[in-house]
Amino acid sequence: DSGVTQTPKHLITATGQRVTLRCSPRSGDLSVYWYQQSLDQGLQFLIQYYNGEERAKGNILERFSAQQFPDLHSELNLSSLELGDSALYFCASSPSGGNQPQHFGDGTRLSIL
Amino acid sequence: KNQVEQSPQSLIILEGKNCTLQCNYTVSPFSNLRWYKQDTGRGPVSLTIMTFSENTKSNGRYTATLDADTKQSSLHITASQLSDSASYICVVRTGNQFYFGTGTSLTVIP
Repeated sequence: DSGVTQTPKHLITATGQRVTLRCSPRSGDLSVYWYQQSLDQGLQFLIQYYNGEERAKGNILERFSAQQFPDLHSELNLSSLELGDSALYFCASSPSGGNQPQHFGDGTRLSIL
Repeated sequence: KNQVEQSPQSLIILEGKNCTLQCNYTVSPFSNLRWYKQDTGRGPVSLTIMTFSENTKSNGRYTATLDADTKQSSLHITASQLSDSASYICVVRTGNQFYFGTGTSLTVIP
């Protein structure tokens, strides 16, 4: 058990809809990372938050947004969903960042019908 | 273009044997290189993290090497076990960006 909790585990929705994925980091970790894993593109870094502030941005689409709350949990919002957004979305956390290991949750599997 | 390439794409070995997985990258500037193990349907688990000045790092039966001059890394697994069957992913960090390889799928058979 990595200590990182992601909810829900599975999500099925339709094109054009909006969903919110939730992540609770390990106790004491200030950094939260979001990743997308799809069959055709593998793992991709989306965005990082540190102690409530956006720290780094990767291949995150404009239709996607994230935030980290004062209690350090994070949410990833996906809107105007397309079939290609079907993927596993992982959250990871680390104490701060840099060269520290990241601990991953078991992901949210999003299926767009 | 920043890229991370892994080889082989897949590998089947007998239990108890050793194997070596390769990772070549063109990412620059280099911050660190990570190896992850990912079981099917689970999140990746960190095996090793190496910075520019480190050329070897071990974690139990896993030993990673890094040659920053040739931009190559390898992950050596000793005395493989059935539980080593998984995907192994190489990730290179530059600044605040992460570049992932497509992974090597390892199957260990009895």
